[in-house]
Amino acid sequence: KAGVTQTPRYLIKTRGQQVTLSCSPISGHRSVSWYQQTPGQGLQFLFEYFSETQRNKGNFPGRFSGRQFSNSRSEMNVSTLELGDSALYLCASSLLGTEKYGYTFGSGTRLTVV
Amino acid sequence: GDSVTQMEGPVTLSEEAFLTINCTYTATGYPSLFWYVQYPGEGLQLLLKATKADDKGSNKGFEATYRKETTSFHLEKGSVQVSDSAVYFCALVRGNTGKLIFGQGTTLQVKP
Repeated sequence: KAGVTQTPRYLIKTRGQQVTLSCSPISGHRSVSWYQQTPGQGLQFLFEYFSETQRNKGNFPGRFSGRQFSNSRSEMNVSTLELGDSALYLCASSLLGTEKYGYTFGSGTRLTVV
Repeated sequence: GDSVTQMEGPVTLSEEAFLTINCTYTATGYPSLFWYVQYPGEGLQLLLKATKADDKGSNKGFEATYRKETTSFHLEKGSVQVSDSAVYFCALVRGNTGKLIFGQGTTLQVKP
Protein backbone atom coordinates (compact mmCIF):
# COMPACT_ATOMS: atom_id res chain seq x y z
CA LYS A 1 0.00 0.00 0.00
CA ALA A 2 1.56 3.27 -1.12
CA GLY A 3 2.09 5.89 1.56
CA VAL A 4 1.52 9.62 1.45
CA THR A 5 3.48 11.20 -1.39
CA GLN A 6 4.58 14.81 -1.33
CA THR A 7 6.19 16.56 -4.26
CA PRO A 8 8.60 18.11 -4.74
CA ARG A 9 10.92 17.14 -1.88
CA TYR A 10 12.94 20.34 -2.09
CA LEU A 11 12.22 23.80 -3.44
CA ILE A 12 14.15 27.03 -3.55
CA LYS A 13 12.17 30.16 -4.31
CA THR A 14 12.81 33.87 -4.31
CA ARG A 15 11.02 36.27 -2.01
CA GLY A 16 7.84 37.54 -3.64
CA GLN A 17 7.29 34.47 -5.79
CA GLN A 18 4.52 31.95 -5.29
CA VAL A 19 4.78 28.19 -4.84
CA THR A 20 2.49 25.18 -5.11
CA LEU A 21 3.08 21.98 -3.15
CA SER A 22 1.34 18.69 -3.83
CA CYS A 23 0.18 15.86 -1.60
CA SER A 24 -1.23 12.51 -2.72
CA PRO A 25 -2.89 10.69 0.19
CA ILE A 26 -3.11 6.99 0.80
CA SER A 27 -5.61 5.42 -1.57
CA GLY A 28 -9.10 5.63 -0.10
CA HIS A 29 -8.23 8.35 2.41
CA ARG A 30 -10.50 11.36 2.14
CA SER A 31 -8.93 13.75 4.62
CA VAL A 32 -5.74 15.69 3.98
CA SER A 33 -4.26 18.17 6.42
CA TRP A 34 -1.21 20.39 6.10
CA TYR A 35 1.38 21.47 8.66
CA GLN A 36 4.29 23.86 8.72
CA GLN A 37 7.38 22.85 10.70
CA THR A 38 10.02 25.40 11.68
CA PRO A 39 12.71 25.32 14.39
CA GLY A 40 11.18 28.32 16.13
CA GLN A 41 7.46 27.57 15.98
CA GLY A 42 7.49 23.80 15.79
CA LEU A 43 4.61 22.03 14.03
CA GLN A 44 1.67 24.26 13.23
CA PHE A 45 -1.61 23.30 11.59
CA LEU A 46 -2.41 25.06 8.33
CA PHE A 47 -5.71 23.54 7.16
CA GLU A 48 -7.60 20.34 6.59
CA TYR A 49 -9.63 19.22 3.61
CA PHE A 50 -12.23 16.50 3.49
CA SER A 51 -14.06 15.53 0.31
CA GLU A 52 -12.89 18.70 -1.45
CA THR A 53 -14.11 21.01 1.33
CA GLN A 54 -11.96 22.91 3.78
CA ARG A 55 -13.18 21.82 7.21
CA ASN A 56 -10.70 23.54 9.45
CA LYS A 57 -8.13 26.28 9.19
CA GLY A 58 -5.21 27.35 11.35
CA ASN A 59 -3.96 30.84 12.11
CA PHE A 60 -2.04 31.62 8.97
CA PRO A 61 -2.39 34.63 6.67
CA GLY A 62 -4.47 34.48 3.53
CA ARG A 63 -1.30 34.01 1.46
CA PHE A 64 -1.57 30.37 2.43
CA SER A 65 -4.32 28.54 0.59
CA GLY A 66 -5.16 25.05 -0.44
CA ARG A 67 -7.54 22.86 -2.31
CA GLN A 68 -8.47 19.24 -2.69
CA PHE A 69 -9.43 17.45 -5.86
CA SER A 70 -12.04 14.75 -6.42
CA ASN A 71 -9.34 12.05 -6.21
CA SER A 72 -8.41 13.43 -2.74
CA ARG A 73 -5.06 14.78 -3.90
CA SER A 74 -4.39 18.15 -2.34
CA GLU A 75 -2.32 21.18 -3.16
CA MET A 76 -1.28 24.09 -1.04
CA ASN A 77 -0.24 27.42 -2.44
CA VAL A 78 1.77 30.18 -0.85
CA SER A 79 1.74 33.52 -2.62
CA THR A 80 4.10 36.47 -2.19
CA LEU A 81 6.70 34.37 -0.40
CA GLU A 82 8.52 35.78 2.60
CA LEU A 83 11.79 34.65 4.11
CA GLY A 84 9.87 33.41 7.14
CA ASP A 85 7.96 30.93 4.98
CA SER A 86 11.09 28.79 4.78
CA ALA A 87 10.04 25.55 6.45
CA LEU A 88 9.28 21.89 6.08
CA TYR A 89 5.70 21.48 4.91
CA LEU A 90 4.09 18.21 5.86
CA CYS A 91 0.81 16.75 4.82
CA ALA A 92 -1.08 14.01 6.60
CA SER A 93 -3.81 11.78 5.29
CA SER A 94 -6.56 10.06 7.20
CA LEU A 95 -9.40 7.79 6.21
CA LEU A 96 -12.11 10.10 7.53
CA GLY A 97 -10.15 12.74 9.42
CA THR A 98 -11.04 11.35 12.82
CA GLU A 99 -8.76 10.32 15.60
CA LYS A 100 -10.00 6.77 15.42
CA TYR A 101 -8.07 6.09 12.23
CA GLY A 102 -4.97 8.10 12.94
CA TYR A 103 -3.00 10.30 10.58
CA THR A 104 -0.22 9.20 8.23
CA PHE A 105 2.38 11.76 7.24
CA GLY A 106 4.36 12.22 4.07
CA SER A 107 8.09 12.95 4.01
CA GLY A 108 7.48 16.65 3.48
CA THR A 109 8.54 19.39 1.11
CA ARG A 110 11.50 21.48 2.25
CA LEU A 111 10.90 25.07 1.06
CA THR A 112 13.72 27.57 1.17
CA VAL A 113 12.94 31.21 0.40
CA VAL A 114 15.94 33.36 -0.52
CA GLY B 1 -7.11 26.61 23.82
CA ASP B 2 -5.78 23.09 23.56
CA SER B 3 -2.06 22.62 24.12
CA VAL B 4 0.61 19.97 24.63
CA THR B 5 3.74 20.37 26.73
CA GLN B 6 6.74 18.05 26.50
CA MET B 7 9.85 17.86 28.59
CA GLU B 8 12.78 19.87 27.37
CA GLY B 9 15.47 18.08 25.45
CA PRO B 10 17.85 16.92 24.38
CA VAL B 11 17.75 13.67 26.30
CA THR B 12 21.00 11.72 26.13
CA LEU B 13 21.05 8.09 27.23
CA SER B 14 23.36 5.12 26.98
CA GLU B 15 22.21 2.07 25.05
CA GLU B 16 19.91 -0.20 27.09
CA ALA B 17 18.94 2.60 29.49
CA PHE B 18 15.33 3.25 30.50
CA LEU B 19 13.57 6.07 28.69
CA THR B 20 10.83 8.40 29.88
CA ILE B 21 9.68 11.45 27.94
CA ASN B 22 7.04 13.43 29.79
CA CYS B 23 3.98 14.82 28.04
CA THR B 24 1.07 16.71 29.55
CA TYR B 25 -1.88 18.25 27.79
CA THR B 26 -4.64 20.79 28.20
CA ALA B 27 -7.85 20.18 26.34
CA THR B 28 -11.59 20.25 26.82
CA GLY B 29 -13.46 17.02 26.45
CA TYR B 30 -11.73 13.79 25.64
CA PRO B 31 -8.96 14.16 23.08
CA SER B 32 -7.10 11.31 21.46
CA LEU B 33 -3.37 11.25 22.15
CA PHE B 34 -0.46 10.28 19.94
CA TRP B 35 3.29 9.91 19.92
CA TYR B 36 5.05 10.54 16.63
CA VAL B 37 8.74 10.07 15.84
CA GLN B 38 10.78 11.99 13.30
CA TYR B 39 14.12 10.77 11.99
CA PRO B 40 16.51 13.25 10.36
CA GLY B 41 15.31 14.43 6.96
CA GLU B 42 12.04 12.55 7.19
CA GLY B 43 8.38 13.15 7.96
CA LEU B 44 6.53 12.00 11.07
CA GLN B 45 5.84 8.36 11.81
CA LEU B 46 3.06 7.34 14.15
CA LEU B 47 4.59 5.49 17.07
CA LEU B 48 1.50 4.79 19.18
CA LYS B 49 -1.87 6.21 20.12
CA ALA B 50 -4.59 6.08 22.75
CA THR B 51 -8.15 7.22 22.22
CA LYS B 52 -9.65 7.10 25.72
CA ALA B 53 -8.70 7.33 29.36
CA ASP B 54 -6.62 4.43 30.74
CA ASP B 55 -5.84 3.14 27.25
CA LYS B 56 -2.27 2.00 26.81
CA GLY B 57 -0.68 2.44 23.42
CA SER B 58 2.35 0.32 22.58
CA ASN B 59 4.62 -0.31 19.63
CA LYS B 60 8.25 -1.43 19.10
CA GLY B 61 8.86 -1.60 22.85
CA PHE B 62 7.49 1.90 23.48
CA GLU B 63 4.48 2.41 25.73
CA ALA B 64 2.31 5.29 26.91
CA THR B 65 -0.82 5.33 29.08
CA TYR B 66 -3.59 7.92 28.74
CA ARG B 67 -3.99 9.35 32.26
CA LYS B 68 -7.05 11.57 32.43
CA GLU B 69 -6.59 12.44 36.10
CA THR B 70 -3.09 13.85 35.53
CA THR B 71 -3.69 14.89 31.88
CA SER B 72 -0.54 13.04 30.90
CA PHE B 73 0.69 10.64 28.23
CA HIS B 74 4.30 9.88 29.12
CA LEU B 75 6.36 7.81 26.69
CA GLU B 76 8.47 4.96 28.09
CA LYS B 77 10.80 2.28 26.80
CA GLY B 78 12.60 -0.25 28.93
CA SER B 79 15.82 -0.49 26.92
CA VAL B 80 16.72 2.05 24.24
CA GLN B 81 18.88 1.37 21.21
CA VAL B 82 21.08 3.67 19.15
CA SER B 83 18.49 3.37 16.37
CA ASP B 84 15.91 5.06 18.64
CA SER B 85 17.78 8.36 18.31
CA ALA B 86 15.23 10.77 16.84
CA VAL B 87 12.85 13.59 17.74
CA TYR B 88 9.67 12.51 19.54
CA PHE B 89 6.45 14.51 19.39
CA CYS B 90 3.42 14.19 21.63
CA ALA B 91 0.16 15.32 20.02
CA LEU B 92 -3.58 15.48 20.60
CA VAL B 93 -6.64 15.79 18.43
CA ARG B 94 -10.27 16.38 19.31
CA GLY B 95 -13.19 15.13 17.29
CA ASN B 96 -13.33 15.28 13.54
CA THR B 97 -11.19 18.35 13.17
CA GLY B 98 -8.23 16.77 11.41
CA LYS B 99 -6.17 19.17 13.49
CA LEU B 100 -3.30 17.68 15.44
CA ILE B 101 -1.81 19.88 18.15
CA PHE B 102 1.82 19.05 18.80
CA GLY B 103 4.23 19.54 21.64
CA GLN B 104 7.54 21.14 20.87
CA GLY B 105 9.34 17.84 20.40
CA THR B 106 12.03 16.10 22.45
CA THR B 107 15.32 15.08 20.89
CA LEU B 108 16.62 11.72 22.05
CA GLN B 109 20.24 10.76 21.52
CA VAL B 110 21.31 7.24 22.42
CA LYS B 111 25.03 6.56 22.69
CA PRO B 112 26.57 3.10 22.26
